[in-house]
Amino acid sequence: DVKVTQSSRYLVKRTGEKVFLECVQDMDHENMFWYRQDPGLGLRLIYFSYDVKMKEKGDIPEGYSVSREKKERFSLILESASTNQTSMYLCASILAGDNEQFFGPGTRLTVL
Amino acid sequence: AQSVSQHNHHVILSEAASLELGCNYSYGGTVNLFWYVQYPGQHLQLLLKYFSGDPLVKGIKGFEAEFIKSKFSFNLRKPSVQWSDTAEYFCAVEGEGTYKYIFGTGTRLKVLA
Repeated sequence: DVKVTQSSRYLVKRTGEKVFLECVQDMDHENMFWYRQDPGLGLRLIYFSYDVKMKEKGDIPEGYSVSREKKERFSLILESASTNQTSMYLCASILAGDNEQFFGPGTRLTVL
Repeated sequence: AQSVSQHNHHVILSEAASLELGCNYSYGGTVNLFWYVQYPGQHLQLLLKYFSGDPLVKGIKGFEAEFIKSKFSFNLRKPSVQWSDTAEYFCAVEGEGTYKYIFGTGTRLKVLA
């Protein structure tokens, strides 16, 4: 059973803080994704990574960066958090050649 | 522009009623299609998927979806819903082989016991 874990379920930060969201998968998946989920907007892709140290921008990368130093770990970084980044953040992973995404439980981030 | 539209944002049904959730997409190329479900307090999980072949696909928990290429649609159906189907449902499209998934805005289904 694939397991995708995220470091925090709930996080509260202040405007201007640097925020790290961590995601770890235990099934040796090549591809990992970060989405944000907002009511009425569904899921929007922020970044994805298809290999260690490789990344591609999704639809809404502004204000975010990512890091993939190890295959199992994909980090989302908010360099300077802003209130409009208050959201639910979802991590997902996929095995290369497959298409089913496995999602983590999400991190609900509130920026005050 | 690439997009996915889910026309029903909120649906309320009584148990045993039939369900159909609409999904239309706009994409200039071959696509893979998905329905994901998020039960209250749980992870998003795959309900069913279509890659090729028979346009009528069956998923878990009695759900099915039909791909109609000419209409760019991938509607989700269930003949008889249960209270436990209360959840949010997301349609998604992936440009074949791109790993770039586009999700719809979701449909919140509430089934009354």
